[in-house]
Amino acid sequence: QVSLRESGPALVKPTESLTLTCNFSGFSLTTRGMSVSWVRQPPGKALEWLGRVDWDDEEYFSPSLRSRLTFSKDTSANQVFLTLANMDPVDSGTYYCARQFITLVGYGMDVWGLGTTVTVSS
Amino acid sequence: QSVVTQPPSASATPGQRVTISCSGSSSNIGDNYVYWYQQLPGMAPTLLIHSNSQRPSGVPDRFSGSKSGTSASLAISGLRSEDEANYYCSAWDDSLNDVVFGGGTKLTVL
Repeated sequence: QVSLRESGPALVKPTESLTLTCNFSGFSLTTRGMSVSWVRQPPGKALEWLGRVDWDDEEYFSPSLRSRLTFSKDTSANQVFLTLANMDPVDSGTYYCARQFITLVGYGMDVWGLGTTVTVSS
Repeated sequence: QSVVTQPPSASATPGQRVTISCSGSSSNIGDNYVYWYQQLPGMAPTLLIHSNSQRPSGVPDRFSGSKSGTSASLAISGLRSEDEANYYCSAWDDSLNDVVFGGGTKLTVL
């Protein structure tokens, strides 16, 4: 059974960096066509794609966040990490990681974590 | 303001059919696959439709997707109270090099 779970700090101060962990199970990020995306959602607002890490180590970033965003992964531990630098209150919201398996559902995000809520405040 | 536009709300009574539209441009919907997500209140999104009109395993056939030109639609037939949720369309945008989401449509089952 495929599952993902996000974890990280609930509260971050402005200008600090946020690091989130996505722990997943039921699939391997070394499988051809497999990816993990990050999506966030400010309170009461729409979804926003942040970026993606692929099975072949390719990374894709939303242009609006590229300068602040870093991804890393530990495939043996089934983990993907997101680091967002220079946090601002507008970065507050729920952060999700989600699987994409191109072979199965194209670039659709077919399994999502429950999300982790981050508040940026001093 | 999203580059992909959805009506902010829609409503229908149980058993009816409702359609949610998603309007974009040649750089996103016109040239790429459209995906639809359902987000129940307080929950994470789930994938309803991929590749314009394909249902992932487990999604009821009451949900269907279509695309024509630079617009796409999600139709829900035999509406149920549990379909009350926010619905988002999404596509890759070739000009922005970004995944774009619509602003979401809140569906109310009257």
